[in-house]
Amino acid sequence: DAGVIQSPRHEVTEMGQEVTLRCKPISGHDYLFWYRQTMMRGLELLIYFNNNVPIDDSGMPEDRFSAKMPNASFSTLKIQPSEPRDSAVYFCASSRNTGGSAATTQYFGPGTRLLVL
Amino acid sequence: QKEVEQNSGPLSVPEGAIASLNCTYSDRVSQSFFWYRQYSGKSPELIMSIYSNGDKEDGRFTAQLNKASQYVSLLIRDSQPSDSATYLCAVNGDNFNKFYFGSGTKLNVKP
Repeated sequence: DAGVIQSPRHEVTEMGQEVTLRCKPISGHDYLFWYRQTMMRGLELLIYFNNNVPIDDSGMPEDRFSAKMPNASFSTLKIQPSEPRDSAVYFCASSRNTGGSAATTQYFGPGTRLLVL
Repeated sequence: QKEVEQNSGPLSVPEGAIASLNCTYSDRVSQSFFWYRQYSGKSPELIMSIYSNGDKEDGRFTAQLNKASQYVSLLIRDSQPSDSATYLCAVNGDNFNKFYFGSGTKLNVKP
């Protein structure tokens, strides 16, 4: 399997611009997670989907952030307008529900390094 | 507020020694525990998962879980310089697929 695919790998933009990050989960996985990682705050969960439906968006910092999952193989995280404090590495991860009572491993993509000037 | 606490380190050990990484968590309903390794500039990758009290061994790695004490640890035997990385502890919450990550412990293995 190709693993979780994210694009772009690097993004440099100016404050106020719209930024769209993309993710393709591992085929057959029904959970998709968006995380943000910074030195100060570590790895934070922003939002996650189950079967393309947003389940928990309590980590989305503010209305400037939005995420969609139009189908099982594609998700986007959009920041509009972007601000310098949004600079971070954004990871997408996916997992597959095995039907048991235990959580299953989340597999991370390579991340998108975002720099907002 | 669910908390996962790790000593940020750095933890320095000589090559060949045992490295011990610790993690405590606040939510008693947590049932699934994961250790991820993250090299600088890379994404987290799974080292081990553990669900039951006791020890679980996989090669040079041993995960230990004590739910009564809300404590999970990772032992790395015969540490190698290639083990130098940040180790993240992840714990699930009451929504069992939602993970909470610790801030990570940076491990340096000196040749």
